[in-house]
Amino acid sequence: AQSVAQPEDQVNVAEGNPLTVKCTYSVSGNPYLFWYVQYPNRGLQFLLKYITGDNLVKGSYGFEAEFNKSQTSFHLKKPSALVSDSALYFCAVRDMDSNYQLIWGAGTKLIIKP
Amino acid sequence: ETGVTQSPTHLIKTRGQQVTLRCSSQSGHNTVSWYQQALGQGPQFIFQYYREEENGRGNFPPRFSGLQFPNYSSELNVNALELDDSALYLCASSSSLAYEQYFGPGTRLTVT
Repeated sequence: AQSVAQPEDQVNVAEGNPLTVKCTYSVSGNPYLFWYVQYPNRGLQFLLKYITGDNLVKGSYGFEAEFNKSQTSFHLKKPSALVSDSALYFCAVRDMDSNYQLIWGAGTKLIIKP
Repeated sequence: ETGVTQSPTHLIKTRGQQVTLRCSSQSGHNTVSWYQQALGQGPQFIFQYYREEENGRGNFPPRFSGLQFPNYSSELNVNALELDDSALYLCASSSSLAYEQYFGPGTRLTVT
């Protein structure tokens, strides 16, 4: 079965510092991976995806993610954090064996301190 | 381009009642998925509709049902509401030619 793990419930970063939010996955075939962000009382916003190609994927709001097949990871990164980046971040993998439904991680709360 | 919209924004129902939530998909999208998100948790897949047919379902009982209309808008119906059904219900649309889903703002359902 496909699965996604976000090992950190919360990540604290000082404004201006680089940030990393971790995600590992387990799939039987080629992974289709996604990052979404959720602000309080809001729906989820698509940040970026990896389907194939370059292992470094660039997305919205200056975020990027690095796909590492050997480590089965898809960590979200940003070179310089902003206070406005504080939100809940979800990693998801598309289940290619089950009508393409998205399997979600539990989420990581990112707190950027001024 | 109009994004995904959902109605109502908030809803309060009594245990045992029935509820219908509505979703309008983003222009050009023919696939709609519904998710339940409990407080502090990730979304849980309920089901997906593609061109008016259900083509995927998560681990939810039959009292959760849905429809997709010719204009690709969708409804989620929940019968015999239980207290545990209290959650944020998210609708997401996507194009069959792309892979990312775009989400509406959600409907907050409270069952008392």
